[in-house]
Parts: sequence; structure tokens; C-alpha cells
Amino acid sequence: GNSVTQMEGPVTLSEEAFLTINCTYTATGYPSLFWYVQYPGEGLQLLLKATKADDKGSNKGFEATYRKETTSFHLEKGSVQVSDSAVYFCALIGEYGNKLVFGAGTILRVKS
Amino acid sequence: DTGVSQDPRHKITKRGQNVTFRCDPISEHNRLYWYRQTLGQGPEFLTYFQNEAQLEKSRLLSDRFSAERPKGSFSTLEIQRTEQGDSAMYLCASSLGGRLSYEQYFGPGTRLTVT
Repeated sequence: GNSVTQMEGPVTLSEEAFLTINCTYTATGYPSLFWYVQYPGEGLQLLLKATKADDKGSNKGFEATYRKETTSFHLEKGSVQVSDSAVYFCALIGEYGNKLVFGAGTILRVKS
Repeated sequence: DTGVSQDPRHKITKRGQNVTFRCDPISEHNRLYWYRQTLGQGPEFLTYFQNEAQLEKSRLLSDRFSAERPKGSFSTLEIQRTEQGDSAMYLCASSLGGRLSYEQYFGPGTRLTVT
């Protein structure tokens, strides 16, 4: 079945540092890929998405590129802020599916 | 803001009791999803509806769980004879149909604690 593996956290960075959170997936065909973010005390929010190979999703300074050859969708940001502290989830929807399959989540802590 | 809403936000119940949660999706969305999230894990799919039809159920959804969406608008998730293992955050999401179903919008969740 479909699955998502993301790097374990917590990831602790200083403000303005470069962020990478790794995500790889297993799926048949061409899934759509997503990053969701969960801020403390809030619900899941869609951060960005990519629906076909080589697409780059971007939002709020975050970006991720759909790499079919490496089955990856790593999340990056050039300069993190304290307000980016949250839990980040990588997820996919299978090519003919409707349900999201999530990774376990990565806690990001940014210190000033 | 007319996002996805869930009620209650928190529920504490004793083992063996029945509980019911409600989800109100974004008004123009015809798809509604239920997920369950346990501590330190990502959400896991439970079931989804297109309008009033329940189209898919996970094996996680034992016979103690039942979900309805009677008029294709709000949905309820009932857990009968709750067990401590049912303690989790229950998330509802909604989306448009077709390829736009790829964008699912989540509610704040209902946190269930079974004592």
C-alpha cells in the first residue's frame, strides 16, 4: 500500500537558518504530494502541494519539488522564523484515490 | 470565516459509554472525510462521504464505529462502547469533488479521552 516516511524530529534551528525536512514515499503510479502544518493548538493547514512529477509547490517561503526518480518531496525554507515552529506532515493521495496518507510528522522548533 | 467546524472540541468519557461527534464542512464541499490522530503520529484515514453516500471505510473503523451524513451536509461519527484505545484526536476534513478533492481542509478536531 501507499506510505510516507519523513525524517524524525524534533528539528531545532536558530532563527534565519536553512530548513530541510526530508520526505520519501511509496506509491504506485503518480500520487499527488502535500505538506501540511499544525501550529500549536490549531488544526492541520495545507501548506503546499504538487500534483505531478517535477512540479514545485511553494507557499510562505516554503517549497518542495516532486521528484519521481527519487520518490521524494523534501520541504525547504531558506530562512526560518520563530513563528514557523510547528509540526510538519508530509502526505500523499494515490493516483486513483481520495484519502490522504500521512507521515508521522516532524516537530520543528526555531529559537531566537 | 466559514471553515470546517467540529463539536465538541474535547470529550472525556468513561470506558463503555457511547460518544457522538459532529462535523460541519465548508458549505460548498461535497466530500467529507474522517481521520484519527494519536499522539506522535500522523492522521489515519477512517472513512469518507461524497454527498450522503459513504464510499470508503478503513479497516480501522471497527463495528463499534459508525458515521453518517444524512443530508449531504454535516456528518456525525459515533463510537459505541468506548475503549481506552479509542482515545485520540478525531479530525474531519472536507473538499470539492474531482481533482479538486486533492485539497482537503481540516477542522480543529475533537479530542477524545476515555478513562
